[in-house]
Parts: sequence; structure tokens; C-alpha cells
Amino acid sequence: EAGVAQSPRYKIIEKRQSVAFWCNPISGHATLYWYQQILGQGPKLLIQFQNNGVVDDSQLPKDRFSAERLKGVDSTLKIQPAKLEDSAVYLCASSLDRGYGTGELFFGEGSRLTVL
Amino acid sequence: QKEVEQNSGPLSVPEGAIASLNCTYSDRGSQSFFWYRQYSGKSPELIMFIYSNGDKEDGRFTAQLNKASQYVSLLIRDSQPSDSATYLCAVTRIQGAQKLVFGQGTRLTINP
Repeated sequence: EAGVAQSPRYKIIEKRQSVAFWCNPISGHATLYWYQQILGQGPKLLIQFQNNGVVDDSQLPKDRFSAERLKGVDSTLKIQPAKLEDSAVYLCASSLDRGYGTGELFFGEGSRLTVL
Repeated sequence: QKEVEQNSGPLSVPEGAIASLNCTYSDRGSQSFFWYRQYSGKSPELIMFIYSNGDKEDGRFTAQLNKASQYVSLLIRDSQPSDSATYLCAVTRIQGAQKLVFGQGTRLTINP
């Protein structure tokens, strides 16, 4: 079974530029999550989708971050314009159901963003 | 007060000893508790979950939950160098939208 796919793995941009990350969850997983993990910290949930609807985006900085999940499968997370403090690893995860019953989220390899 | 608190470490344990990792949480209504392991440069992976007060054992790992004290721990018996990683405690928060909240993680090093 293929895991969660993410791209690009690494991205270096200058502040005020834009960047987009892509995620393809495990086939059949209805719930998709984007987490931000800053070095030395635990993952912070940015947005959670159930199929193609948003369940929680309370910690998404909506003035610069946006995310979509078209057709309930792939998802894209965009940052525009980027700030220095956005330097982090962006983790995409998926789960078969809402996920919290077992808490088993399957994470992708992550996309490491460096903003200069 | 952080929703999920862990000692960031590093925690250094000799090979073969018991490693004890601790976590406290602030939402008294939390119902589900998880331990994820994250190797350096890798993504988190689930190793244990626990819902009820008491102990839950899985191989060399034991999760302990005390809801009255809002405390959850992970014990690793017969620690191996391959157990060296950051261990993330995660808790289901039910205030507002239900979501999984992670602690900052404890970095564990097993010394041969």
C-alpha cells in the first residue's frame, strides 16, 4: 500500500514570495491533515479536511495561508506571501476515518520550507 | 498553560534500562491519548494509544494513563539504541472542534 505522498521535499524561497505544497493521501482515507512543525516543536494542526470539506482551520493564518482539497483526494497548501517565521516542515497526514478513535494518522515525509 | 506539556529533554538512558517519558494535559475532558515516535528528519509514527485509566502494554512499551491527575506516560523496557528518537505525546482535545494536539516532544537518547 502506497503511503502519503508529498512534494516538494525541500523548498527555499525569499520572504514575500509564494510557495505551494502538494499532498496525495493514502487511497481511501477520507480525512486529510496539514500540520506545521517548527524545529524543536511538536506538530501544529493547520487544517483538517473530511473528504473535501473543512473540519477545522482555526489555526490557519488565513491572511497568507490557503488550502484546498479538490474531489476529496489530493490537497494543496499555499503560502503567499511567505514570512521568515514560516520556515518549518509541513506535514501532510491522512486517516481512514476521523482518526481520533485510534489516533492513527499516517504522515508523509514532509516538505521542508526555508524562508530567507 | 500549554495544552499538552512534555519535558523536552534530552533524556539519556543506558542501553537495557527503562526509559520513562511523561506528559500532562490541560483539557480535563480529553478522551484519547497517543504516543508517536519521530526519528530525526523523519515523520511521526504511532506507537501506542490508550483510552482508559491504568496500564496498556505492547511488547517493550507500556502506556500509563491517570485521568484524575491528567497525566500520561510511556515506559520503554530494555531500551535499545534504536529507540533513540523524539517521542511526541498527543491528546484529543474536545473543547471546540475535536482535534489531535501534540506536545513538543521529548528527545530520548539510549547510550550503548
